[in-house]
Amino acid sequence: RKEVEQDPGPFNVPEGATVAFNCTYSNSASQSFFWYRQDCRKEPKLLMSVYSSGNEDGRFTAQLNRASQYISLLIRDSKLSDSATYLCVVLQDSGGGADGLTFGKGTHLIIQP
Amino acid sequence: DAGVTQSPTHLIKTRGQHVTLRCSPISGHKSVSWYQQVLGQGPQFIFQYYEKEERGRGNFPDRFSARQFPNYSSELNVNALLLGDSALYLCASSLGRNSYEQYFGPGTRLTVT
Repeated sequence: RKEVEQDPGPFNVPEGATVAFNCTYSNSASQSFFWYRQDCRKEPKLLMSVYSSGNEDGRFTAQLNRASQYISLLIRDSKLSDSATYLCVVLQDSGGGADGLTFGKGTHLIIQP
Repeated sequence: DAGVTQSPTHLIKTRGQHVTLRCSPISGHKSVSWYQQVLGQGPQFIFQYYEKEERGRGNFPDRFSARQFPNYSSELNVNALLLGDSALYLCASSLGRNSYEQYFGPGTRLTVT
């Protein structure tokens, strides 16, 4: 079983719609969780950290369910500029990121006009 | 403020050669991590360095090595290059040993022929 699993998509969504991605992780000792966004042939950019209580940043909402070991990302009122690959990222760590970030393969989102 | 910088941006090498990639972290950041991203996959963790010491290592062969300098910049070295080493090599910096949010540079695209 892969450590971090995501549906690769692509998700084709009309502009203005709401879209949700889920991601599951296998290591119950995982401590920190993130969503990164990656545009074609560019570096990943931190979109948001994911907290147990859930957190929101503008049109983006992230949730963590530790019991079921999944993380979600909700994008409301999607824009053309939201088209990108969204990477689910988990840190299972003994201290200070020494185990590195574990990335899923990413979910490809295409917002259509 | 300057972000993470990497050099060179692109590189073409032949099998058996070695390569050195360079990274300068965000000013004030003391931790540098290296990742390899093959097309269609998420980044894979190679190394983490903090205060010039290796703090973590991913599942990569001994042909891969790295170091961190007193100014916190870092080099990744790969010996005896294989075709399968062709990838985007990403450097990420974070504030300190217990800071989990990592910020990526634009990467070095290595092609091995």
